[in-house]
Amino acid sequence: QQQVKQSPQSLIVQKGGISIINCAYENTAFDYFPWYQQFPGKGPALLIAIRPDVSEKKEGRFTISFNKSAKQFSLHIMDSQPGDSATYFCAAVGAGNQFYFGTGTSLTVIP
Amino acid sequence: KAGVTQTPRYLIKTRGQQVTLSCSPISGHRSVSWYQQTPGQGLQFLFEYFSETQRNKGNFPGRFSGRQFSNSRSEMNVSTLELGDSALYLCASSLGGPKNEQFFGPGTRLTVL
Repeated sequence: QQQVKQSPQSLIVQKGGISIINCAYENTAFDYFPWYQQFPGKGPALLIAIRPDVSEKKEGRFTISFNKSAKQFSLHIMDSQPGDSATYFCAAVGAGNQFYFGTGTSLTVIP
Repeated sequence: KAGVTQTPRYLIKTRGQQVTLSCSPISGHRSVSWYQQTPGQGLQFLFEYFSETQRNKGNFPGRFSGRQFSNSRSEMNVSTLELGDSALYLCASSLGGPKNEQFFGPGTRLTVL
């Protein structure tokens, strides 16, 4: 059973556009929500993370929006660049410190 | 500081064989987690070791096992390989505290023929 559901599976965006990736969870015990970015041949790397006491966190062109009541969170990439082309994973972490990852979104930014 | 290293990077085995993968964490990190990555399934958690003890375990059959040594290096073993075990196996190290960032290695690509 997938603890974290991620969509879309793939995404194509024009350079300069906004990329949006969505995730949903059921377990209300989750209290930490990181996003990871993975380039081909590399392991995932932490991009940005949020805790449920805030509704939004922004770091540069990357923003997490968090809706606690809906149990959903999303990653927005503003002014998307070809260098942002990668696979993105959302994750949710609870008290047991186990990371539950989504199935990933392959983002392609077209020049 | 050196990152997480995994060996070997690529491995080809046949059904029924067993395999051992190795992970060296970042210096000072005491937690090592293992994940299986396949297209469409994302990262599936296998287990986590902290100070030589298995602290968390995912929903994988007993053919998947691991251990951690006193220097925090970890090994993962898969016995009686099946075609469906073909995947990228990632290990991640962290300090081991609550919500500590996980640092991933480049993975071992296992192909089972």
